[in-house]
Amino acid sequence: EPEVTQTPSHQVTQMGQEVILRCVPISNHLYFYWYRQILGQKVEFLVSFYNNEISEKSEIFDDQFSVERPDGSNFTLKIRSTKLEDSAMYFCASSALLRGEKLFFGSGTQLSVL
Amino acid sequence: GENVEQHPSTLSVQEGDSAVIKCTYSDSASNYFPWYKQELGKRPQLIIDIRSNVGEKKDQRIAVTLNKTAKHFSLHITETQPEDSAVYFCAARRENAGGTSYGKLTFGQGTILTVHP
Repeated sequence: EPEVTQTPSHQVTQMGQEVILRCVPISNHLYFYWYRQILGQKVEFLVSFYNNEISEKSEIFDDQFSVERPDGSNFTLKIRSTKLEDSAMYFCASSALLRGEKLFFGSGTQLSVL
Repeated sequence: GENVEQHPSTLSVQEGDSAVIKCTYSDSASNYFPWYKQELGKRPQLIIDIRSNVGEKKDQRIAVTLNKTAKHFSLHITETQPEDSAVYFCAARRENAGGTSYGKLTFGQGTILTVHP
């Protein structure tokens, strides 16, 4: 079965530094998402992306966050100036065009902000 | 916005018993309800989903029921096995008929299921 891949699996950074989390969605998928999960808590929606623009974002996704699809295969999440509370597991997900298509999650990037 | 509540937060059963996890949602326009299984340190994986035009769906030992009037849905696992031990998340989503946006998944808090051999 095709998979969403994410790199790196772990990222440690200092507070205030910029980080870029990378994702390669499944090749024929057109909808892309970022979710995050703080340790022991529920998975939370950050942003959805379609047709090279953000289609929806949550209140968590403030000006420090941005997403980009720099080429035909990658989908990135950038955090401009990381805060301690940004420490979490970040999941990329994708879904196909067809109505009702299920979401496939990547294996996640564990971000630790020190 | 949508709010999904999930109970119980932890569930411990003996191998072979049944397990039931319940979720309620607040947005009556939500029409898609998936369940995800997440093993420690791994990605959430879809195990079953249901749409609002059906009341029940079954896949081998797993079933999901939906009560639209009461706005709740449940996951039922029969004949539990130790490998069923994981965190289970319910979620809800509103699917637009136009197909240009599928909207976000709103997750419940998760249930830690432990199946004792």
